[in-house]
Amino acid sequence: AQTVTQSQPEMSVQEAETVTLSCTYDTSESDYYLFWYKQPPSRQMILVIRQEAYKQQNATENRFSVNFQKAAKSFSLKISDSQLGDAAMYFCAPGGFTTSGTYKYIFGTGTRLKVLA
Amino acid sequence: GAVVSQHPSWVICKSGTSVKIECRSLDFQATTMFWYRQFPKQSLMLMATSNEGSKATYEQGVEKDKFLINHASLTLSTLTVTSAHPEDSSFYICSSYKGGSTNEQFFGPGTRLTVL
Repeated sequence: AQTVTQSQPEMSVQEAETVTLSCTYDTSESDYYLFWYKQPPSRQMILVIRQEAYKQQNATENRFSVNFQKAAKSFSLKISDSQLGDAAMYFCAPGGFTTSGTYKYIFGTGTRLKVLA
Repeated sequence: GAVVSQHPSWVICKSGTSVKIECRSLDFQATTMFWYRQFPKQSLMLMATSNEGSKATYEQGVEKDKFLINHASLTLSTLTVTSAHPEDSSFYICSSYKGGSTNEQFFGPGTRLTVL
């Protein structure tokens, strides 16, 4: 079974500083995507960044970037110049088609990010 | 864009009654829709996957007779919680997948169910 581990239940970062959230996963699939989602207090899931597993180049979206290590099955999220609005729950989610043909995400346990003014 | 709506946003019902939650993809056709359950301060747990016109596929441990899913069209999926009990109280989130190269799911805003 696929598993996703986010080892940091809670992180704090000073405003304007940089923070890295970790994620490791276990999958037997060879072709998949990885996602980071943000869930603010409104509980609406918001896509932060996406990485294709077949691409070696790490994805970047403005202040958000990933460090994808396929062999190590590691997918960390770096938030630069942290802002108060970044405070939220962050979920790592590998996703894609399984060998049985079904398509699904598996969500990690989440990391709650607090941004300190 | 890819907008997904859910209705109602919150519902309170008495124990033993049934509650229907609707999930609509407003500006695209969804080949697949998903239903998740989220307990407070926990992650999203996939309950079932539904494809238009076919029976839903339930995850292990999810009672299909308790949580009825109907995916009647490419833009609408419904989750009915039958004979609801207080332990069914939770936050239910749907998502839609429209295919394509990104494998991205688009999430609804969620429905908070409270069973008294």
